[in-house]
Amino acid sequence: IAGITQAPTSQILAAGRRMTLRCTQDMRHNAMYWYRQDLGLGLRLIHYSNTAGTTGKGEVPDGYSVSRANTDDFPLTLASAVPSQTSVYFCASSPSQGAGEKLFFGSGTQLSVL
Amino acid sequence: GQNIDQPTEMTATEGAIVQINCTYQTSGFNGLFWYQQHAGEAPTFLSYNVLDGLEEKGRFSSFLSRSKGYSYLLLKELQMKDSASYLCAVMDSNYQLIWGAGTKLIIKP
Repeated sequence: IAGITQAPTSQILAAGRRMTLRCTQDMRHNAMYWYRQDLGLGLRLIHYSNTAGTTGKGEVPDGYSVSRANTDDFPLTLASAVPSQTSVYFCASSPSQGAGEKLFFGSGTQLSVL
Repeated sequence: GQNIDQPTEMTATEGAIVQINCTYQTSGFNGLFWYQQHAGEAPTFLSYNVLDGLEEKGRFSSFLSRSKGYSYLLLKELQMKDSASYLCAVMDSNYQLIWGAGTKLIIKP
């Protein structure tokens, strides 16, 4: 079934550790996104990529990095995790970044940083 | 700043109609989206409005007034499976989505 796959589903991480959240899509979408979702707040964009080889910063990029080596994969790395990065992380994709383009979301990663 | 406002929580009865409002202030406008998110799951697309007026899709309809910075999602013939959060999002002039915090809809039998 075509879609977006995220891994892991959940993770408990000690503060200061490095962690990479994986995201793969098989829809050949050009645009990909990483969001975090916290209780009482809207989805907040961390980083995005309009096409393979390019990335951009979103609303809350500090402490996170991404790469887009190919069309399908868009990993998110926390170089040194802190408790404020405890959240649910969603990867999403769209055919392109333009008006009317709806997002397709992965199932999310619940991350707890202790 | 950019802002999306929607009620935190609403309760409705199975079989009834409910209207979820969304007001926005953004830098530019390239359309408004509604997404549905069941607890513990990913958001899924419901509707997109870029012109004023009502878009109907089965039991769900979405309305937009750009001059008022206002939209609503109308759910008819409510079913228990409609219990979910409903997220309003506006695409700004940079084609970035600005998200509301979501409205949790509770359906009672």
